[in-house]
Amino acid sequence: QVQLVESGGGVVQPGRSLRLSCAASGFTFSTYGLHWVRQAPGKGLEWVALISYNGRTEYYADSVKGRFTISRDNSKNTFYLQMNSLRADDTAVYYCAKDLVRGLYAFDIWGQGTMVTVSS
Amino acid sequence: DIQMIQSPSSLSASVGDRVTITCRASQDISNSLAWYQQKPGKAPKLLLYGTSRLQGGVPSRFSGSGSGTEYTLTISSLQPEDLATYYCQQYHSTPPLTFGGGTKVEIK
Repeated sequence: QVQLVESGGGVVQPGRSLRLSCAASGFTFSTYGLHWVRQAPGKGLEWVALISYNGRTEYYADSVKGRFTISRDNSKNTFYLQMNSLRADDTAVYYCAKDLVRGLYAFDIWGQGTMVTVSS
Repeated sequence: DIQMIQSPSSLSASVGDRVTITCRASQDISNSLAWYQQKPGKAPKLLLYGTSRLQGGVPSRFSGSGSGTEYTLTISSLQPEDLATYYCQQYHSTPPLTFGGGTKVEIK
């Protein structure tokens, strides 16, 4: 069964750090680009970051550039989102997702989401 | 950045109605458009990509069309299980990938 499972969400104070993980199964992990997408409470979807299939290319939304880092470990079928200098407006459900086809950035598989709350 | 404007932001329709949602891009996205359905409390689900290509397992009452800057999602005969919010997404220009603001579909 093709699936992605996120973990690592929680409540964190402003300025602190958190690392999200996304474990994959059921597909050839090393051949797909992977993404993080977030959704603030009651709001729409916002793409956050992309890492290429081989980990050599990363892209970020302007809202997180310089604070968030996406990475992957193809030996563990897992990818990550390191979130530093967290702010209240980073509060959201964070979804991990995979490319439909390598290089075609539509998302065919999504995780269940993990909630990140930034609050003092 | 390419902006995606969806309309309407919400609609209410009866079972069996034909429903149309529009997504307008701020520049030509050359059919690099996907549509997602998100039910309350759930992750989004891919419905269509490449403007009109139906993802596996998606009912044929969903269809997509368009070109250039204007795209449409049509539900030919609305069903109770179609209660959801629908989002368009362009993947022509990265970064960033951008979503429309969403259309909430309610059943009368």
